[in-house]
Amino acid sequence: GAVVSQHPSWVICKSGTSVKIECRSLDFQATTMFWYRQFPKQSLMLMATSNEGSKATYEQGVEKDKFLINHASLTLSTLTVTSAHPEDSSFYICSGEDRGPTEAFFGQGTRLTVV
Amino acid sequence: KQEVTQIPAALSVPEGENLVLNCSFTDSAIYNLQWFRQDPGKGLTSLLLIQSSQREQTSGRLNASLDKSSGRSTLYIAASQPGDSATYLCAVALGGNKLVFGAGTILRVKS
Repeated sequence: GAVVSQHPSWVICKSGTSVKIECRSLDFQATTMFWYRQFPKQSLMLMATSNEGSKATYEQGVEKDKFLINHASLTLSTLTVTSAHPEDSSFYICSGEDRGPTEAFFGQGTRLTVV
Repeated sequence: KQEVTQIPAALSVPEGENLVLNCSFTDSAIYNLQWFRQDPGKGLTSLLLIQSSQREQTSGRLNASLDKSSGRSTLYIAASQPGDSATYLCAVALGGNKLVFGAGTILRVKS
């Protein structure tokens, strides 16, 4: 299957700082990127959907000003957690979809810990 | 609103057993259904994808079935091995690949 590379795999940051997570599609063009998060012992929940070159669509309850998503090219999407707080500590994972769409391909995930 | 339920929440079996994991969903208007494996602290590994028009898919010791009308899918694992120990997630796609996940089944295969 196609490869989505997500970095960093883990990050620890201080409360109040911002953290950027990158997802790159290595061998396909991701026209759509999905961002999910997973709190401990819970399932993955969709946060937002982004299409290349347009604004992201956020799910209900997700603050768009806190979780900034940029999808400026067909191979790169970024999620920036602004002014992070301990309650933002979670596992964040992206998936990219090609033009087909055939299926979505997942990155390796990022474990964010805010202290 | 689509909801996905997985039963059982956890399962512990001796090595060599055949086992079945269950997944149910409330809205039959799905694009496809996928089974994933998640190891602790890791990302997702796609195991099987069943398109809405299909009834089953097989890969090695894994077989997944889909009954859209009843809103059910099962993942059958034959001759389980300790290396199969992981969390198994079921997810349904709503238009394109926007996925709704179940809470998962934690599988432990004892040697």
